[in-house]
Amino acid sequence: GESVGLHLPTLSVQEGDNSIINCAYSNSASDYFIWYKQESGKGPQFIIDIRSNMDKRQGQRVTVLLNKTVKHLSLQIAATQPGDSAVYFCAETGSNDYKLSFGAGTTVTVRA
Amino acid sequence: NAGVMQNPRHLVRRRGQEARLRCSPMKGHSHVYWYRQLPEEGLKFMVYLQKENIIDESGMPKERFSAEFPKEGPSILRIQQVVRGDSAAYFCASSPQPLQNMNTEAFFGQGTRLTVV
Repeated sequence: GESVGLHLPTLSVQEGDNSIINCAYSNSASDYFIWYKQESGKGPQFIIDIRSNMDKRQGQRVTVLLNKTVKHLSLQIAATQPGDSAVYFCAETGSNDYKLSFGAGTTVTVRA
Repeated sequence: NAGVMQNPRHLVRRRGQEARLRCSPMKGHSHVYWYRQLPEEGLKFMVYLQKENIIDESGMPKERFSAEFPKEGPSILRIQQVVRGDSAAYFCASSPQPLQNMNTEAFFGQGTRLTVV
């Protein structure tokens, strides 16, 4: 697959504030996007996904926004908590593909 | 329903030895994916297998690496004659259907951290 990348490698956020993590992708054929959270020493954990026929999807405290025009994906975390400290990856795949392409990851650090 | 189980969690091998990494997918999942993660990097696709079949091994190095997913038992990622550059975290994921299907999610294991000394 083509590259999937993140705009910022690190993000420091005050506890209780909202976090926004951005991701750019270059494969115009991508139609399924996933955000994963990876804590130190653990495997990636599914947070939320979105298909290309949607531009917004909400979960518990998280919202994913998809802008297909500029090939941009974002993850918003409301009321960030210390437990949200982790590395966040966006991943994408196409309708004729089955392997996920991961970005490099954004490290989120929550300040108390 | 147990999640994806990988073992061992940590594996130390000397250069030239063989490393065998095991992955038991979630119950009912017949699709297995192996990924490699170097420090401070994202996960890189290695191989996609279904029961008894390798579907795509385009991310696997041509030499020394092999994978299998037998009819019975876990999926195995085998690295022969390991070198220091093989040191990484190896993650396995499984899904009940191919990822391109609607409403299909891939679940990851905790990974095996291979250190080659």
